[in-house]
Amino acid sequence: EAGVAQSPRYKIIEKRQSVAFWCNPISGHATLYWYQQILGQGPKLLIQFQNNGVVDDSQLPKDRFSAERLKGVDSTLKIQPAKLEDSAVYLCASSSIPGRAPAYEQYFGPGTRLTVT
Amino acid sequence: GNSVTQMEGPVTLSEEAFLTINCTYTATGYPSLFWYVQYPGEGLQLLLKATKADDKGSNKGFEATYRKETTSFHLEKGSVQVSDSAVYFCALASQTGANNLFFGTGTRLTVIP
Repeated sequence: EAGVAQSPRYKIIEKRQSVAFWCNPISGHATLYWYQQILGQGPKLLIQFQNNGVVDDSQLPKDRFSAERLKGVDSTLKIQPAKLEDSAVYLCASSSIPGRAPAYEQYFGPGTRLTVT
Repeated sequence: GNSVTQMEGPVTLSEEAFLTINCTYTATGYPSLFWYVQYPGEGLQLLLKATKADDKGSNKGFEATYRKETTSFHLEKGSVQVSDSAVYFCALASQTGANNLFFGTGTRLTVIP
């Protein structure tokens, strides 16, 4: 079974530029998550999708971050304009729909390391 | 609210030593508890989990027991190997509302031969 795919793996941009990350979840997984992992910290949830609907985006800085999952499969996370403090690893994860064991297990992609200079 | 407090690292052990990484949590209701591991250059992988009080999760020689009375989920291994060198994250998922994971800050383990 293929895992969660993310691209690019690394990205370096200057502040005020824009950047986009792509994620393709495990086939059949209805729930998709984006996390931000700042160096030395644990991952923090940015947004959660159930199919193509947003379940939780309370931690997403909506003035600069946006995310979409138009067809309920792959997803794109965008930052515009980027700030220095956005330097982090952006992780995508997916899980099966609630009600089916293991309902709460999330599978993570390798992440995209963003450096903002 | 939901939060996880994890033993700060880094932790350096000799091969075959006993490992304990402490983890305590605060949560509403009865969360599920997890340990994730991040090997150098790789993504997060689920190591083990427990979904109710007194459950013991185990995998690859690692164990952790869900202790509701002490709100803890400490990770243990009886004999570590060099290949266990990684960053370990304790996490919880609340069973109310959205199934979001709340992570601790991570503990870096280095095992030396």
